[in-house]
Amino acid sequence: DAGVIQSPRHEVTEMGQEVTLRCKPISGHNSLFWYRQTMMRGLELLIYFNNNVPIDDSGMPEDRFSAKMPNASFSTLKIQPSEPRDSAVYFCASSQTRGGLLYSNQPQHFGDGTRLSIL
Amino acid sequence: AQSVTQPDIHITVSEGASLELRCNYSYGATPYLFWYVQSPGQGLQLLLKYFSGDTLVQGIKGFEAEFKRSQSSFNLRKPSVHWSDAAEYFCAVEYNQGGKLIFGQGTELSVKP
Repeated sequence: DAGVIQSPRHEVTEMGQEVTLRCKPISGHNSLFWYRQTMMRGLELLIYFNNNVPIDDSGMPEDRFSAKMPNASFSTLKIQPSEPRDSAVYFCASSQTRGGLLYSNQPQHFGDGTRLSIL
Repeated sequence: AQSVTQPDIHITVSEGASLELRCNYSYGATPYLFWYVQSPGQGLQLLLKYFSGDTLVQGIKGFEAEFKRSQSSFNLRKPSVHWSDAAEYFCAVEYNQGGKLIFGQGTELSVKP
């Protein structure tokens, strides 16, 4: 079975450019999570969706970050304009959540991440 | 505030030796508990999980973890470490927030030959 698929695997761009990260969750999963991993702050949850609806975006750093999930099989995380401090590895994860906002009862499955470098 | 603590940032063990990685979570309702492993350049792979029932859970690659409610701990163990176990290990908890995970800072494991 295909796991969570993220693209691109690596992105190097200059400060000020728009960056779009993509994620395809595991088929049948209805919850999707975006994380950022840095040496200083570890793994941080940025935003998560349930049934394509954003549930909690309290981890999104600032207005330069936005995320969408137009359908059950695709999500994007966009940074505009990008800054050097956005350099990190961004992970997408998905899981099957039952009962709406109750416990998921299923573990999250992670993609291999996008390593983003902003020069 | 809900939190997860992994007290050991880096641990080195000899191949064949036993291993215990510590994890403590902030007091409150019993969460769901997870251990993930991350190899360099890779995503996180689930080792094991605890939802309810038997407090000793078995995972992949010979790992096990024990949930101790009185200590708010979920320590990961392996009786005999292999060189391929060298990686970073993350403890994570999920409270009643629709699948939202809180991660510890991670423990980097090095294995000496």
